[in-house]
Amino acid sequence: DQQVKQNSPSLSVQEGRISILNCDYTNSMFDYFLWYKKYPAEGPTFLISISSIKDKNEDGRFTVFLNKSAKHLSLHIVPSQPGDSAVYFCAAADPNAGGTSYGKLTFGQGTILTVHP
Amino acid sequence: KAGVTQTPRYLIKTRGQQVTLSCSPISGHRSVSWYQQTPGQGLQFLFEYFSETQRNKGNFPGRFSGRQFSNSRSEMNVSTLELGDSALYLCASSLVPGLYGYTFGSGTRLTVV
Repeated sequence: DQQVKQNSPSLSVQEGRISILNCDYTNSMFDYFLWYKKYPAEGPTFLISISSIKDKNEDGRFTVFLNKSAKHLSLHIVPSQPGDSAVYFCAAADPNAGGTSYGKLTFGQGTILTVHP
Repeated sequence: KAGVTQTPRYLIKTRGQQVTLSCSPISGHRSVSWYQQTPGQGLQFLFEYFSETQRNKGNFPGRFSGRQFSNSRSEMNVSTLELGDSALYLCASSLVPGLYGYTFGSGTRLTVV
């Protein structure tokens, strides 16, 4: 049962344009969401997060939007740069899973972003 | 500041053997989680430890076990290895469980032949 889904396996964008990566979830108990970026042969790198009490969080070129009613979140990268080319994972946490803890993250399958110069 | 260190980086084992993977978290981090990454299943949660106590466990068979030491270093063990256990095993640490995003190590690539 895939509770967090990234339906687009890949996305190709021109340098300078906007990249929009999407993520859907089914578990209404998730209340904290994170985006990670992963380069080959490296571990995922934390990018940005959002709590369910917000609908938007910005950090530089990265903005995450959360639509709780649609159980949908998206990551916007503006402007996109060739160095952003990587696999992007969204992840969700249910603090009440197995006790009070945000320690268990449920990840999507990832989207490969390619930014062309 | 040193990151999350996982050893070894690469490992080849034979079916039926057991393996122990090690993770040293960022200094001061007390929360450690383990994930398995495979092409078909993506990143799957294995365990979470905080202050030497297992707080969460994923849906993996009992062959997968782990522990955390008083210095926050963690190990995971897989017994009676199967071909399907071939994967990248990632360790992540955080100051407190998860809230500010985990920092991941580069992983241990385990190949079972």
